[in-house]
Amino acid sequence: GAGVSQSPSNKVTEKGKDVELRCDPISGHTALYWYRQSLGQGLEFLIYFQGNSAPDKSGLPSDRFSAERTGGSVSTLTIQRTQQEDSAVYLCASSSEYNEQFFGPGTRLTVL
Amino acid sequence: SQQGEEDPQALSIQEGENATMNCSYKTSINNLQWYRQNSGRGLVHLILIRSNEREKHSGRLRVTLDTSKKSSSLLITASRAADTASYFCATRGPQAGTALIFGKGTTLSVSS
Repeated sequence: GAGVSQSPSNKVTEKGKDVELRCDPISGHTALYWYRQSLGQGLEFLIYFQGNSAPDKSGLPSDRFSAERTGGSVSTLTIQRTQQEDSAVYLCASSSEYNEQFFGPGTRLTVL
Repeated sequence: SQQGEEDPQALSIQEGENATMNCSYKTSINNLQWYRQNSGRGLVHLILIRSNEREKHSGRLRVTLDTSKKSSSLLITASRAADTASYFCATRGPQAGTALIFGKGTTLSVSS
């Protein structure tokens, strides 16, 4: 596949549980981004990986949120002790530096 | 905080009319990009304009950039019902390793 893929497409969890969201970027793209979008809202930047540089974590809303990018490719966004306000669509994108971003289809997270 | 702010928040037009959306931003940029999103998922890149460019065309899309006013506009000519979507502008700062920051979007409705 040539595009960005994300899994799962939908995730329903109970408040207090941990969740892991996965992103497979386009091969060769050095930059990977995570965003969050609540219903009817714009995109909220969460975290940005660029090559081997330290990630820009400035958008993470709390220390319950963390992300890794292994081997410069696949990324996992982890949310610990989920809260209802974490419910949103989590979008991943990848790009080559300074260029257009290609978005995955997103993971819709619902915290009950 | 979000960099770009789109105006208007919502726009309703008839098929065949032109739609104009504006975006203002606050700091220096390397480039500005416009994206479209249907049904709350799947952002698609439309067009990228660099800070040294003033106007760019792609099919029925025309984008202008005025760096002195820190603003951009997206014009969709001869609109179609299929253009109904949310449109977001996004800016990338001039320094390497900066993330793309999105505005809150304009919701366009085109009725037939």
